[in-house]
Amino acid sequence: GAVVSQHPSRVICKSGTSVKIECRSLDFQATTMFWYRQFPKQSLMLMATSNEGSKATYEQGVEKDKFLINHASLTLSTLTVTSAHPEDSSFYICSAESGGPYNEQFFGPGTRLTVL
Amino acid sequence: QKEVEQDPGPLSVPEGAIVSLNCTYSNSAFQYFMWYRQYSRKGPELLMYTYSSGNKEDGRFTAQVDKSSKYISLFIRDSQPSDSATYLCAIFRFGNEKLTFGTGTRLTIIP
Repeated sequence: GAVVSQHPSRVICKSGTSVKIECRSLDFQATTMFWYRQFPKQSLMLMATSNEGSKATYEQGVEKDKFLINHASLTLSTLTVTSAHPEDSSFYICSAESGGPYNEQFFGPGTRLTVL
Repeated sequence: QKEVEQDPGPLSVPEGAIVSLNCTYSNSAFQYFMWYRQYSRKGPELLMYTYSSGNKEDGRFTAQVDKSSKYISLFIRDSQPSDSATYLCAIFRFGNEKLTFGTGTRLTIIP
């Protein structure tokens, strides 16, 4: 299957700093990537849809100025959590759409963000 | 009402048992039905998908969809300790172009 990587896998930062998370499709091109957030023992909640070369589409309740998404190429999307606060601590997972019958998404391994 | 409902468990069964995991959904427009497995601190990986009512089998795994009752199931036969993970159902429909996930069921297979 297609491989999606995320970097870093884990990050700890101080409150008020910004953190950038990268999502890469390693062996395929992805016009569309997705960013999810997962709290402990809860499901994946879609934050935004990232389209190469255009602005991201954010889900209701997600602050676009706080969660900046850039999809500069067909293999890379980045999520920047700006002015992070402890409540932003979570598991962030990206996925890349590969096409196919239902536009199958391949998921990255996730990034654990802890804001102190 | 959530679009997808899934019992979060946790569910513990002895090795070798048959496991049954279930989800219900509310929107009859949903077209594709997926099951993902997620190990701790990892991203989800696709186990199976189907788009029609009935059963689909892949090794020890069987996915079942009943569109009339909006009910989907995943059965695991001869369960192994390595099957211990969180299992998430997910549903997709064209026009929406997004996956809608259940909460996930945490499964532990006891050796």
